[in-house]
Amino acid sequence: AQKITQTQPGMFVQEKEAVTLDCTYDTSDPSYGLFWYKQPSSGEMIFLIYQGSYDQQNATEGRYSLNFQKARKSANLVISASQLGDSAMYFCAMREGSGGSNYKLTFGKGTLLTVNP
Amino acid sequence: DSGVTQTPKHLITATGQRVTLRCSPRSGDLSVYWYQQSLDQGLQFLIQYYNGEERAKGNILERFSAQQFPDLHSELNLSSLELGDSALYFCASSVAGEGITDTQYFGPGTRLTVL
Repeated sequence: AQKITQTQPGMFVQEKEAVTLDCTYDTSDPSYGLFWYKQPSSGEMIFLIYQGSYDQQNATEGRYSLNFQKARKSANLVISASQLGDSAMYFCAMREGSGGSNYKLTFGKGTLLTVNP
Repeated sequence: DSGVTQTPKHLITATGQRVTLRCSPRSGDLSVYWYQQSLDQGLQFLIQYYNGEERAKGNILERFSAQQFPDLHSELNLSSLELGDSALYFCASSVAGEGITDTQYFGPGTRLTVL
C-alpha cells in the first residue's frame, strides 16, 4: 500500500487565488513528520513546510500553511495568494519516527501546479 | 539555495560506463542521503550516511555504491550503467540523521543520461 497518496496529478489556479494540494498518508507509527517540497522545472527540491504528528497547531510558513487532520490522516498544503513563480511540482513526504523507516523520506507522486495569469 | 552542493549538474555517458556523483552537505550537517528520481519510480531513497558511516540502505542496486569522507562530502558511484539508470540523482543532508523533525535539505541534483 502506498504510504503517501497525492490524488491530484495536476491543478490549475488563477494568480492571487488560494489553492489546496491534497496529501493523505498511511502509517501505524504514532510518531511521524510530514514535509512538503517544491520542485520547479529547473529540477531542484525546495523544502517548504513541516508538520509533526504531535504538533497541536497547523504549521505555517509565509504563504504556505498545512491543513493537518490527524484523524483523517491528511496533510494538505494551502498556498495563499498564488504567484506565477508557484508553478511547479509539489511533493508530500513522510518520515516515520521508529522502526526501519526513521531515516528516509517516503514521497508521494506529486502534484503539478500551474498558476495562470 | 539549500546550501547542499552537487556536481556535476549534468552527466551524459554510455552504457557500461562508470560515473561518480559528488555531494557536499550543508555546513553543520552530519548526515547525507542519496535519492533517485525517475519518471516511472518517482523519488526513491538509495542510501544514507552519518558522520562517515553507512546508516541505512534503500533500493540501491549492487552496481551502485557510495561513501562519505572525513570532510563529510559524499560520492555516489554508479557502474555498468544501463539505459534505465538515466534519472535525476539528489543528495540531501540533515543535522541528526534521524527523528521526525530532522529536515532533509536537497541539493540541485545531477541529471544522468545514459545513451
